[in-house]
Amino acid sequence: DVKVTQSSRYLVKRTGEKVFLECVQDMDHENMFWYRQDPGLGLRLIYFSYDVKMKEKGDIPEGYSVSREKKERFSLILESASTNQTSMYLCASTQPSYGYTFGSGTRLTVV
Amino acid sequence: AQSVSQHNHHVILSEAASLELGCNYSYGGTVNLFWYVQYPGQHLQLLLKYFSGDPLVKGIKGFEAEFIKSKFSFNLRKPSVQWSDTAEYFCAVNALRNYQLIWGAGTKLIIKP
Repeated sequence: DVKVTQSSRYLVKRTGEKVFLECVQDMDHENMFWYRQDPGLGLRLIYFSYDVKMKEKGDIPEGYSVSREKKERFSLILESASTNQTSMYLCASTQPSYGYTFGSGTRLTVV
Repeated sequence: AQSVSQHNHHVILSEAASLELGCNYSYGGTVNLFWYVQYPGQHLQLLLKYFSGDPLVKGIKGFEAEFIKSKFSFNLRKPSVQWSDTAEYFCAVNALRNYQLIWGAGTKLIIKP
């Protein structure tokens, strides 16, 4: 089975801190995605990457950046965390003709 | 722009009731369609998917969905729900580029024991 591993399940950070969320997949998938999930809003795409060092903005990229130096790792960076970035963050990877495989999520609280 | 609509944000049923969750999308071309489920405290899991062929798709745990192209719909069904089906269900449609998915807002299903 494909595994998508997110480094932290729960995270508490202070306003203004730089935050790194890590995601690793073990099946050589080309495409990786970062979403945030908020009640009543469903899943909103922050950034995605379709190859190493390639990235594209999703629907809500403001306040975030990403890094993909290796195929298996896709990092989400909050440059200066704010309270409105408190959310559940989901990483996913996919290949053609297959659905997405999601990580277990990181619940980030910014205080 | 593509969009996905899920008709109900909350659905409450009794055990053994039949279930149908609506999903409509707006895109005129070829689509791939998905239903995902998120059980309480767990991560999102693929329930079923449609790429081509038979428009009636069977998934895990007795769920099925029917793709009706003329109605731009992909409704999820289960003839008899169980308490363990309590979860949030998401419909998604792929975009043509880079396998990006467009997501519905989700439907929270609560099954009363």
